[in-house]
Amino acid sequence: EIVLTQSPGTLSLSPGERATLSCRASQSVSSTYLAWYQQKPGQAPRLLIYGASSRATGIPDRFSGSGSGTDFTLTISRLEPEDFAVYYCQQYGSSPITFGQGTRLEIK
Amino acid sequence: QVQLVQSGAEVKKPGSSVKVSCKASGGTFSRNAINWVRQAPGQGLEWMGGIIPIFGTANYAQKFQGRVTITADESTSTAYMELSSLRSEDTAVYYCARAGRAGSYFVSFDYWGQGTLVTVSS
Repeated sequence: EIVLTQSPGTLSLSPGERATLSCRASQSVSSTYLAWYQQKPGQAPRLLIYGASSRATGIPDRFSGSGSGTDFTLTISRLEPEDFAVYYCQQYGSSPITFGQGTRLEIK
Repeated sequence: QVQLVQSGAEVKKPGSSVKVSCKASGGTFSRNAINWVRQAPGQGLEWMGGIIPIFGTANYAQKFQGRVTITADESTSTAYMELSSLRSEDTAVYYCARAGRAGSYFVSFDYWGQGTLVTVSS
């Protein structure tokens, strides 16, 4: 099973700032099979990025993904108030599909 | 526009079973995997398994093997997840989620249901 470790656990930033979230895998993940999701309280997760760097439909271009092998990054270039949420990475290249434990992005 | 609508909240006794439904509308149902993901209170996301309706056989996480059954009814575009031998640790919100590309389990999840809270309590 591929274990995904996200850091930091909590990130405190202000609107307009840049956010950098990390996801590290216990073994190599093909970049084709790495996704990022956003989840707000009481809501289902929403797909942001798939294939490590492709934005899902309707996702603003301030969200970008990068990385390969075991290290992946989600960057939000300029935080908007609606971006404060929990973010999860996911690998779907091997069974079982696994998620990271999440990074909480909170308003400073 | 694809929509996944799940059945309502359930309260179950330890040792019993629960069956949650997920009805799809819009898009094609048969060829895209429907996955089940759960989230315990205040915790992260955990994949349980999935099914590609046209193939009929499900793919399960080993952790849930023998306790979970995922099925799909193409005639009603509805997927089901049944979890047996419930214990308190199974208290969670259960989500269905559609794979974003047809024909494979190994695809990100582009549409999600609203979630179904299952509470296991004596």
